[in-house]
Amino acid sequence: DGGITQSPKYLFRKEGQNVTLSCEQNLNHDAMYWYRQDPGQGLRLIYYSQIVNDFQKGDIAEGYSVSREKKESFPLTVTSAQKNPTAFYLCASSLTAGGPHEQYFGPGTRLTVT
Amino acid sequence: DAKTTQPNSMESNEEEPVHLPCNHSTISGTDYIHWYRQLPSQGPEYVIHGLTSNVNNRMASLAIAEDRKSSTLILHRATLRDAAVYYCILRDREGGSEKLVFGKGMKLTVNP
Repeated sequence: DGGITQSPKYLFRKEGQNVTLSCEQNLNHDAMYWYRQDPGQGLRLIYYSQIVNDFQKGDIAEGYSVSREKKESFPLTVTSAQKNPTAFYLCASSLTAGGPHEQYFGPGTRLTVT
Repeated sequence: DAKTTQPNSMESNEEEPVHLPCNHSTISGTDYIHWYRQLPSQGPEYVIHGLTSNVNNRMASLAIAEDRKSSTLILHRATLRDAAVYYCILRDREGGSEKLVFGKGMKLTVNP
């Protein structure tokens, strides 16, 4: 089955620790995205990548970092610099960046930092 | 960035049609109109998208106003599984900046 996988589903960390969230897709999509969702709110774009070895900041990139070394993988690191890291994190991919292509979302990772 | 406006919530009855409105008065000529929906604790799911003409797929229909400043997602027969938060989003044709703005969306409640 083709799709996007995110792991783990739930993640708990202590304040001050960096944590890396996994995102893998086997859809052969060029573009990948990371969003953050807070309770009762919509999604906000953290980072996106249109092609391997390239990525751009979204609206709320501060305190986060990404890499895109392989087409299938787009891991997100939540650093200790992120002031409010507790949130629901969603990864998505699309055939290419741009208007006519829908985004496919993973199941999400719920991160809790205490 | 072009924005969309949706009601906070709507209610419908099972097996009846539902019309979900979206205003996007600042839409540009290169913006596609996308609709997604999200069930609790899940990732959003693509529903439909269009540019100028009305669109139909197995999930829904999308009616786009002639001036493109508004659109309506139509669920022809609502089921309990259609209860979700629906997002109307504009996406630039070229995708240069990928400034997708999901907003808070609109919560649809379907009554049995």
